[in-house]
Amino acid sequence: QSALTQPASVSGSPGQSVTISCTGTSSDVGGYNYVSWYQQHPGKAPTLMIYEVSDRPSGVSNRFSGSKSGNTASLTISGLQAEDEADYYCSSYTSSGTPVFGAGTKVTVL
Amino acid sequence: QVQLVQSGAEVKTPGASVEVSCKASGYIFTSYGISWVRQAPGQGLEWMGWISGYNYKTIYAQTFQGRVTMTIDLSTSTAYMEVRRLRSDDTAVYYCARDPWNGMDVWGQGTTVTVSS
Repeated sequence: QSALTQPASVSGSPGQSVTISCTGTSSDVGGYNYVSWYQQHPGKAPTLMIYEVSDRPSGVSNRFSGSKSGNTASLTISGLQAEDEADYYCSSYTSSGTPVFGAGTKVTVL
Repeated sequence: QVQLVQSGAEVKTPGASVEVSCKASGYIFTSYGISWVRQAPGQGLEWMGWISGYNYKTIYAQTFQGRVTMTIDLSTSTAYMEVRRLRSDDTAVYYCARDPWNGMDVWGQGTTVTVSS
């Protein structure tokens, strides 16, 4: 199963919004509503930010939102803050019955 | 609180095996599965497999079929992952994560496995 396609990096100034795309195929992102997003700070374990395309776990800021259109899912961070600087990974369930991760996107707060 | 605590760092020689443990607490172990994910230095996340906390069912990524075994001990709410025939490119941080299959919502702290001669 090929990794999902994410931009290597995105950046924005504090207070701005940034959107990270996650492109797959009809066999993964497009075929199931089991897309999740993870935030990972350097040297730390990942943290679940979004599950089932657009749901937020308890405790995750509502500045984080998820959506999907066709074979592409997106994570939007609104009101960008310094603490949002991290790597972000998308993941999707696939027709193989297993999940696959994206290659990751580094978010830089300018 | 819900947490997963993993075993400590390991250094192994090529061809050896390693077992990483992941002890769960704060939730009903049998209600969730556990996924194992690894991250090579400077690289992204790679899903390795999943084991049910209820019926011992396992699903492995094709890449690891035949070389990885995942097990659980219900008496201690602990999941284990063994990797055999280690190679240098198995050097990575290995994570366990609680996985109800719609998102890995609790992660262990990670276990560094170094494979070097």
